[in-house]
Amino acid sequence: QKEVEQDPGPLSVPEGAIVSLNCTYSNSAFQYFMWYRQYSRKGPELLMYTYSSGNKEDGRFTAQVDKSSKYISLFIRDSQPSDSATYLCAMSAGQAGTALIFGKGTTLSVSS
Amino acid sequence: GAVVSQHPSWVICKSGTSVKIECRSLDFQATTMFWYRQFPKQSLMLMATSNEGSKATYEQGVEKDKFLINHASLTLSTLTVTSAHPEDSSFYICSASEASGIESNEQFFGPGTRLTVL
Repeated sequence: QKEVEQDPGPLSVPEGAIVSLNCTYSNSAFQYFMWYRQYSRKGPELLMYTYSSGNKEDGRFTAQVDKSSKYISLFIRDSQPSDSATYLCAMSAGQAGTALIFGKGTTLSVSS
Repeated sequence: GAVVSQHPSWVICKSGTSVKIECRSLDFQATTMFWYRQFPKQSLMLMATSNEGSKATYEQGVEKDKFLINHASLTLSTLTVTSAHPEDSSFYICSASEASGIESNEQFFGPGTRLTVL
């Protein structure tokens, strides 16, 4: 079993839809959870950063962490064509200087 | 957020030559820098972790003599692909982390360098 599992998709939705992206993990030591957005041929861009369990909201994006289930989610409300990208979950057990473990990424396409 | 740059953004080289990729943190001091490789439609695979002033730590399966990493200052790390071969063609991405605060495990990524070895 891989440490981080993420469905690669692709996921296609119409503009305005609510998108749900998920990752599961096996290492109970993970405490830091991140979502990155990556456009084609570009470096990843940090979207959301969460420490331990709970929810975090930033504009149209909401990140949820359920450590008891080892499950994290990213919700995108009112999705836009510009949200079309690959979304990568990442996590780590340690503080600054600790390597991140990435999911495979989910490719999202939002049609207008 | 913090800015990380990479140079060059793309490079084409002949098989057997060496290529150097630079990663710079522009507005913060990066105590740790990471090098990743990403193949098409794949996730980022960590190659090595480098801390300023010390030897890099390589992940299993990554040849340290082939992928030379130098982190000589708090704002610059370099990756040199020595004797490059076509199978080394990939997207190389660096990230940088600034050690500050208990919750600070954010990594800021560079834009990546696309290497094509002919």
